Amino acid sequence: AQSVTQLGSHVSVSEGALVLLRCNYSSSVPPYLFWYVQYPNQGLQLLLKYTSAATLVKGINGFEAEFKKSETSFHLTKPSAHMSDAAEYFCAVTGGKLIFGQGTELSVKP
Amino acid sequence: SQTIHQWPATLVQPVGSPLSLECTVEGTSNPNLYWYRQAAGRGLQLLFYSVGIGQISSEVPQNLSASRPQDRQFILSSKKLLLSDSGFYLCASLAPTVGNTIYFGEGSWLTVV
Repeated sequence: AQSVTQLGSHVSVSEGALVLLRCNYSSSVPPYLFWYVQYPNQGLQLLLKYTSAATLVKGINGFEAEFKKSETSFHLTKPSAHMSDAAEYFCAVTGGKLIFGQGTELSVKP
Repeated sequence: SQTIHQWPATLVQPVGSPLSLECTVEGTSNPNLYWYRQAAGRGLQLLFYSVGIGQISSEVPQNLSASRPQDRQFILSSKKLLLSDSGFYLCASLAPTVGNTIYFGEGSWLTVV
């Protein structure tokens, strides 16, 4: 069985600050992990995915995530937030089922 | 590449009426298929998933059912809609043999009145 937990339904950062969105997962099989972003009134857009290759995954728009098996985590980071990063972010895990987290809304303050 | 067609895009249905949302996949075979409902502040709630024809797993007991009559067709149904069935429904496809890329349908807005 798979599950995913996103810690923090709302995260607020200042423009230029580090973005850290947390995701912890559980899976009875080796997982594939994803981060998606959803802008208001738009569909889900893939940021990056982990498929058992490199544990540090680089995605679009300067985002990256590190797969840490010992911590069962796949946190999303970006060194410097931009106003355009304001959106909702979803972590997902699959190993059969495809389970999404509850989402984290990122706000970026000028 | 893979594409998903989902319809209808929007519908308004009276309480007690039936529902049928359809999703078809092109560009792959034997995908895993999923139905989600997305509600504000609740993310994507997995409703049903299927790993093959006629194989349906239900995640949330409720007033809905799903069927997979063909390899690339996934249908979400209800015999009698409730007000609480209103929401945004999303179909998704994942082909494990093609890099585990997830494809989403365009979504269906259902309003039960």
